[in-house]
Amino acid sequence: DSGVTQTPKHLITATGQRVTLRCSPRSGDLSVYWYQQSLDQGLQFLIQYYNGEERAKGNILERFSAQQFPDLHSELNLSSLELGDSALYFCASSIRDSQGSEQFFGPGTRLTVL
Amino acid sequence: AQKITQTQPGMFVQEKEAVTLDCTYDTSDPSYGLFWYKQPSSGEMIFLIYQGSYDQQNATEGRYSLNFQKARKSANLVISASQLGDSAMYFCAMRESVRDDKIIFGKGTRLHILP
Repeated sequence: DSGVTQTPKHLITATGQRVTLRCSPRSGDLSVYWYQQSLDQGLQFLIQYYNGEERAKGNILERFSAQQFPDLHSELNLSSLELGDSALYFCASSIRDSQGSEQFFGPGTRLTVL
Repeated sequence: AQKITQTQPGMFVQEKEAVTLDCTYDTSDPSYGLFWYKQPSSGEMIFLIYQGSYDQQNATEGRYSLNFQKARKSANLVISASQLGDSAMYFCAMRESVRDDKIIFGKGTRLHILP
């Protein structure tokens, strides 16, 4: 158990809908990262927050947005869902934002868009 | 162009043998970090090892070591004395801190350890 929690574990929804994925980092970790893992795209870094502020941005679509709250939990919002958004979404946390920080991954949220 | 290349989609190795998983990277940033992660069939991602571009020595963590050859832009993962539990998908990743700090993953190598 990494100490990072993600809810829900599974999510099934329809195209055009909007969903929110939630992540609670390990106690004391200030950085939260979001990743998408799909069969065709592999593992893609989406976005990083550090202590409430956006720190780095990857291949995140405009339909997706994220935020980190004062209690350091984070939410990833996915809207106007398409079939291709079906994937495993990971959240990871680390204590710092420096490049050497070990990242602890949550168990992931499996999103299925029908 | 691929930033992280893992040329071995799959590997079969006999238990107790050493394994080398290849990773080459492409960057013009002088400051970057290289990571290896393990993903077992259960799906979770497990951090294994990190190497900074300015680190003088190769990183080691237990049975894992990173063979960092900067001039060749390679960062191979070496697993000594492989175990059945090492069967998993392994990802090499890079973080370029100067440009935009994002993290880029390779496509992975699926490692099968044979009894």
